[in-house]
Amino acid sequence: DQQVKQNSPSLSVQEGRISILNCDYTNSMFDYFLWYKKYPAEGPTFLISISSIKDKNEDGRFTVFLNKSAKHLSLHIVPSQPGDSAVYFCAASPSYDKVIFGPGTSLSVIP
Amino acid sequence: DTGVSQDPRHKITKRGQNVTFRCDPISEHNRLYWYRQTLGQGPEFLTYFQNEAQLEKSRLLSDRFSAERPKGSFSTLEIQRTEQGDSAMYLCASSSPGQIHTDTQYFGPGTRLTVL
Repeated sequence: DQQVKQNSPSLSVQEGRISILNCDYTNSMFDYFLWYKKYPAEGPTFLISISSIKDKNEDGRFTVFLNKSAKHLSLHIVPSQPGDSAVYFCAASPSYDKVIFGPGTSLSVIP
Repeated sequence: DTGVSQDPRHKITKRGQNVTFRCDPISEHNRLYWYRQTLGQGPEFLTYFQNEAQLEKSRLLSDRFSAERPKGSFSTLEIQRTEQGDSAMYLCASSSPGQIHTDTQYFGPGTRLTVL
């Protein structure tokens, strides 16, 4: 059973516009959520995170929103840049020692 | 560069052979994780170490898989009697001590295993 879901395998956005990547989770024990970015032939790179006690966290062009009642989080990238083209993984942690990843969304930012 | 390194980057082997992968974490990190990633999926947790102690193993880690971290530094992941279903990217990550959550997991580039 997939505890972290990313239902959009791919997303295309025009440069300068907003990219919104969505993620749903099923386990109410998750208390920490993360987004990782992955380029081809590289390992995932940590992007941004949010604790379950918050509903928003912002870091530059990246903002993560958490809706605990809906068990949903989203990553907003504004403005989108061609260098943002990558696979984005949503991940959740029920404790301090393990991360459970979603299947990823491939973002293409078109110049 | 003092990031996480993995060796080899690519491994092609025949079914039934044994393979071993190595991971060198960031030197001051005491936690080390192994993940497996297949096409179209996110990384799946396999096991993790705190120093030399292996604290958790996923049910994905069958008896043919063994991981060690003998001196709390580098780690090895061995797969015995490889099967075609073992073909995947094997990722290693490390994290720093004192962190409550895993937002500081740093990943290596991975070892891509192909079993023929």
